[in-house]
Amino acid sequence: KAGVTQTPRYLIKTRGQQVTLSCSPISGHRSVSWYQQTPGQGLQFLFEYFSETQRNKGNFPGRFSGRQFSNSRSEMNVSTLELGDSALYLCASSRSGSTDTQYFGPGTRLTVL
Amino acid sequence: DQQVKQNSPSLSVQEGRISILNCDYTNSMFDYFLWYKKYPAEGPTFLISISSIKDKNEDGRFTVFLNKSAKHLSLHIVPSQPGDSAVYFCAASEVETSGSRLTFGEGTQLTVNP
Repeated sequence: KAGVTQTPRYLIKTRGQQVTLSCSPISGHRSVSWYQQTPGQGLQFLFEYFSETQRNKGNFPGRFSGRQFSNSRSEMNVSTLELGDSALYLCASSRSGSTDTQYFGPGTRLTVL
Repeated sequence: DQQVKQNSPSLSVQEGRISILNCDYTNSMFDYFLWYKKYPAEGPTFLISISSIKDKNEDGRFTVFLNKSAKHLSLHIVPSQPGDSAVYFCAASEVETSGSRLTFGEGTQLTVNP
């Protein structure tokens, strides 16, 4: 069974630009969560989507948004990029959330210059 | 406020010995706990989990212990192997209210020396 895939793997943007990251969950998984990993803040929850609806949201500004499609694929968007948005963005999928194990993708490394 | 803490940034053990990684939490509403390991340039890999109704869960070389009164959990790896060298993250969730939202600790770098 294919794992969670994320594209692109690496991205370089400049301040003020916007970026869209993509995540394809494991087949049959309907819950997709996004996390940001930085050296200073560690792994932090961004949001979770289930059946095309945002079910949970972390403490991030509105510049961070996401969506989920009917095939469970998910995208996250960051608008008006800031230097502090440089991070590894990880996507995780699970069957339905809650106590289902979350499986992570390899991440997208975003660098903002 | 750091609700999940891993106070040891690093741990070094000899191959064949036991590795013990520790994690403390402050939110008494957490009721599901997990351990992940992470290699550089890869996403975290699930290792083992435990529900708050249990105090121990075992899977092969990995055992997780939960002490609810102390709000402490630990991961034991026996015997440790060089391939276990990675960063280990402890994570917790409140299943009832926030479903799959995981709160992670800062991670512990485990090095297993041959």
